[in-house]
Amino acid sequence: AQTVTQSQPEMSVQEAETVTLSCTYDTSENNYYLFWYKQPPSRQMILVIRQEAYKQQNATENRFSVNFQKAAKSFSLKISDSQLGDTAMYFCAFMKVSNDMRFGAGTRLTVKP
Amino acid sequence: DAGITQSPRHKVTETGTPVTLRCHQTENHRYMYWYRQDPGHGLRLIHYSYGVKDTDKGEVSDGYSVSRSKTEDFLLTLESATSSQTSVYFCAINPSGNSYEQYFGPGTRLTVT
Repeated sequence: AQTVTQSQPEMSVQEAETVTLSCTYDTSENNYYLFWYKQPPSRQMILVIRQEAYKQQNATENRFSVNFQKAAKSFSLKISDSQLGDTAMYFCAFMKVSNDMRFGAGTRLTVKP
Repeated sequence: DAGITQSPRHKVTETGTPVTLRCHQTENHRYMYWYRQDPGHGLRLIHYSYGVKDTDKGEVSDGYSVSRSKTEDFLLTLESATSSQTSVYFCAINPSGNSYEQYFGPGTRLTVT
């Protein structure tokens, strides 16, 4: 079974600074997808960024980028120029082609003014 | 907005009673999912559907059943609710069979007393 580990239960960052959230996963599959979701206090799950395992290039979406290390099974999220609205729970997720998406336990990020 | 609604949004019920949660989508997407979210566990897949009357079990399916008689509706039933099923339940859809990213509904908070 696939497992996803987020080793940082809580993190904080000053507004306008950069923060990196860690995620590791365990799988024997070669083809899969990785995601980062954001869950603000509203409880809505919001897709932040996704990465296909067959792509070597790291995905980027505006201030959000990932560092995907396939051999190390690592998928970290970097948030640049942090904003107060980035305060949320962040979940790393792994999905293989069977539609079985596995989530990590989450990292609570607080952006301080 | 992925066009997903869930009803009810909040429910309190007693142990042993049946409960049905509804997920409704407006875009005729083929794939739909039910997850539960508990502290320390992230989201865990209960059941998913890949078409009308086509469903499969997820990681934590015991005690739950699902039905999909129409493309737009995916129902989750707790035949006899237990306190361990107190959770927040999320429905999700996959709008593209190629990318596997999922978009989530607003969630239903269920409390079993």
